[in-house]
Amino acid sequence: AQSVAQPEDQVNVAEGNPLTVKCTYSVSGNPYLFWYVQYPNRGLQFLLKYITGDNLVKGSYGFEAEFNKSQTSFHLKKPSALVSDSALYFCAVREEYTNAGKSTFGDGTTLTVKP
Amino acid sequence: DAGVTQSPTHLIKTRGQHVTLRCSPISGHKSVSWYQQVLGQGPQFIFQYYEKEERGRGNFPDRFSARQFPNYSSELNVNALLLGDSALYLCASSPRGRNTGELFFGEGSRLTVL
Repeated sequence: AQSVAQPEDQVNVAEGNPLTVKCTYSVSGNPYLFWYVQYPNRGLQFLLKYITGDNLVKGSYGFEAEFNKSQTSFHLKKPSALVSDSALYFCAVREEYTNAGKSTFGDGTTLTVKP
Repeated sequence: DAGVTQSPTHLIKTRGQHVTLRCSPISGHKSVSWYQQVLGQGPQFIFQYYEKEERGRGNFPDRFSARQFPNYSSELNVNALLLGDSALYLCASSPRGRNTGELFFGEGSRLTVL
């Protein structure tokens, strides 16, 4: 079985400050990890993924995430937050070699960036 | 290039009715998945179809069914609607059944059951 936990329902940061959105996961084998962003009344948009290789992955809009196998975490980060980053962020996981559609999502973290 | 398209975008039904939601994947994508997103929660996996065959099913009752057509478009059907079926239904496509890539989501169909 696979699962994802996003321990914070809400993260508030000031514009220009660094941001972190936390994610921990559980899978039986090796994980494929993803971050998606959702704007109000819209579908999910892909930000970045970890499949294998370098633990630090870079994605869209200046976001990056660090895979930590020992802590089973995949936290989303950005060095300098923008007001336009305010949205709902989802972490997702699936086990290596499983079908792409069978992803498990966390319950989301609402990021609010204040001017 | 067109992304994943879903229809209808919004619909209102009453308890006991039936609903059909439609999805067209990105051109060239052969895998379609359906997710239910209840307000305040993350998307929950309902079905995956690849090459017109069901490749996975989440923990949903038999009232939920789906199919994929030869052109890789898909329908999600829900019978005997309950108030708890009110949600955003998301369709996602990917190039193949098993790959290392991300899912491409449509904008969703917002179902309200009264």
